[in-house]
Amino acid sequence: GNSVTQMEGPVTLSEEAFLTINCTYTATGYPSLFWYVQYPGEGLQLLLKATKADDKGSNKGFEATYRKETTSFHLEKGSVQVSDSAVYFCALSDHNNNDMRFGAGTRLTVKP
Amino acid sequence: GAGVSQTPSNKVTEKGKYVELRCDPISGHTALYWYRQSLGQGPEFLIYFQGTGAADDSGLPNDRFFAVRPEGSVSTLKIQRTERGDSAVYLCASSASDSNYGYTFGSGTRLTVV
Repeated sequence: GNSVTQMEGPVTLSEEAFLTINCTYTATGYPSLFWYVQYPGEGLQLLLKATKADDKGSNKGFEATYRKETTSFHLEKGSVQVSDSAVYFCALSDHNNNDMRFGAGTRLTVKP
Repeated sequence: GAGVSQTPSNKVTEKGKYVELRCDPISGHTALYWYRQSLGQGPEFLIYFQGTGAADDSGLPNDRFFAVRPEGSVSTLKIQRTERGDSAVYLCASSASDSNYGYTFGSGTRLTVV
């Protein structure tokens, strides 16, 4: 079945550091891929998405490229801010199903 | 409404009691999803509605869990004979068509069974 594996946390970085959170997936079809973010005390928010191979999703300085050859969708940001501290979830959705599968989440803490 | 609304935001109940959790999706969104998120875990799929019907309820853990969406808008997740293991945040999400373009999530209901 479909599943997502993402880098375990927690991740602690200093402000302006480079961020990578790894995500790999297993799917029988051609899924759409997503990153969601959950800020402290808030609900899940869609951060970015990519619906087909080689697509790059981007938002708020974050990027992730849908790599079919490596079944990956790693999240990157060139210079993190304290306000980026949150839990990040990688997710996939298969066109044949209607449930979205989530990874376990990676907690990011950015220190000033 | 402007977003997905879930009520109550917190619910504490005694083991064995019945609870109902409500979700009010974004107006016009035909697809509605329920997820459960335990501490330190990602959301776990429970059930998906397309309109009034449950298109996929394969994630419901057992027959104590049931959900309805009688008019194709508001949905209620019902849990009978609650157990301590049911304690989690219950998330509702809606989308305009299907899941491939992302969902909008509500803030969740934190259920604590004591």
